[in-house]
Amino acid sequence: DIQMTQSPSSLSASVGDTVTVTCRASQSIDIDVNWYQQKLGKAPKVLIYGASSLLSGVPSRFSGSGYGTDFTLTISNLQPEDLAIYYCQQSHNTPWTFGQGTKVEIK
Amino acid sequence: QVQLVQSGSELKKPGAAVKVSCKASGYSFTTYGMNWVRQAPGQGLEWMGWINTNTGNPTYAQDFAGRFVFSLDTSVTTAYLQIRSLKAEDTAVYYCARGVTLSRGVSLDSWFDPWGQGTLVIVSS
Repeated sequence: DIQMTQSPSSLSASVGDTVTVTCRASQSIDIDVNWYQQKLGKAPKVLIYGASSLLSGVPSRFSGSGYGTDFTLTISNLQPEDLAIYYCQQSHNTPWTFGQGTKVEIK
Repeated sequence: QVQLVQSGSELKKPGAAVKVSCKASGYSFTTYGMNWVRQAPGQGLEWMGWINTNTGNPTYAQDFAGRFVFSLDTSVTTAYLQIRSLKAEDTAVYYCARGVTLSRGVSLDSWFDPWGQGTLVIVSS
């Protein structure tokens, strides 16, 4: 199985800051990474697919990059509503696997 | 709009069974596979497997082969997750999620969208 390792496990930033979440795959997975946002008590929501493609309706302050084993999710101009846990997920091989999550808190 | 609506919370005793439903609407049900994802309390997301809604063929992740059963009723555009012989460690929120795929030439992008609202299953004596 492909292991996805996220870092950091949590971070705290101020409104307007730029934050970066990283995800490392245990083997090369091309650009087969998706990013999800999960707010407290809610189902996850997909933000980005194919490492860098933004889903329709997702604010442009979210962006993704990476190839092979190293991927990043960047949130620019952090907003209060971005308080959530963010998960990466690989779609290269089944079983699809998720990172352990990064909790983003607002100072 | 595309929507998945799951059945309500369940409280079950160890050894019992539970069946969770996931009603789909707003799209052609048999065009997209349906995935199931588990989230234990305070934990991350774990993909359980998926069911081909066109053929009814299920695929289970290794940890979910045996007591977990995926099924469909296409006449009511609903997918089901049954868990048999419940254990305390099955206590979790269970999500259904539509599998979306998009061709990018020689390969595919695949992701889960949308997700159901989740069903909390509590196993306790």
